[in-house]
Amino acid sequence: SAVISQKPSRDICQRGTSLTIQCQVDSQVTMMFWYRQQPGQSLTLIATANQGSEATYESGFVIDKFPISRPNLTFSTLTVSNMSPEDSSIYLCSVAGRFYEQYFGPGTRLTVT
Amino acid sequence: AQKVTQAQTEISVVEKEDVTLDCVYETRDTTYYLFWYKQPPSGELVFLIRRNSFDEQNEISGRYSWNFQKSTSSFNFTITASQVVDSAVYFCALSEYEQAGTALIFGKGTTLSVSS
Repeated sequence: SAVISQKPSRDICQRGTSLTIQCQVDSQVTMMFWYRQQPGQSLTLIATANQGSEATYESGFVIDKFPISRPNLTFSTLTVSNMSPEDSSIYLCSVAGRFYEQYFGPGTRLTVT
Repeated sequence: AQKVTQAQTEISVVEKEDVTLDCVYETRDTTYYLFWYKQPPSGELVFLIRRNSFDEQNEISGRYSWNFQKSTSSFNFTITASQVVDSAVYFCALSEYEQAGTALIFGKGTTLSVSS
């Protein structure tokens, strides 16, 4: 399984500011995924990030709010822009395994005040 | 449309009790994959098991076992002789073959609390 790291592990941010979350994988992967987990809730996919192409966003998520970069096969960033308290969540990146399972990073706990 | 239902929101048991977590799924595809994940209080999601739709054999791994029944669209997870360390949120998830390599559809999760 892939080893995935995320930075920062947690942050407290003021409303109106932006935070960029980094996701690093220890092997080359084609697809990376970004999920949001609101407090006490399940995981919801934000977008799928393929290297060399624009990210594909799920309904309810837009690029202006959650811009994603995928500069190479081992790295991706997710930016949460113009934050509001409703953006307080855990943000997780994941990669697909060989048999369609997904492996997740440790998550970034974001609190917006 | 694909959907995963975990009807049990919270379950509380005492150590050494057996506990079964239910998962019911909906999909139009004949080929699909089912998963269970564990999320302990630390927050990290831990992959537990993957099953494809053609493999209905039940699986046992230590104290964990999984019962996959296509006839009832269920993929239940049983923990035998539960331990305090089993306390976590457990998620069932689905991926359709045509969407393989794309996102997982998660159920809402079941919070398991095991007391000593």
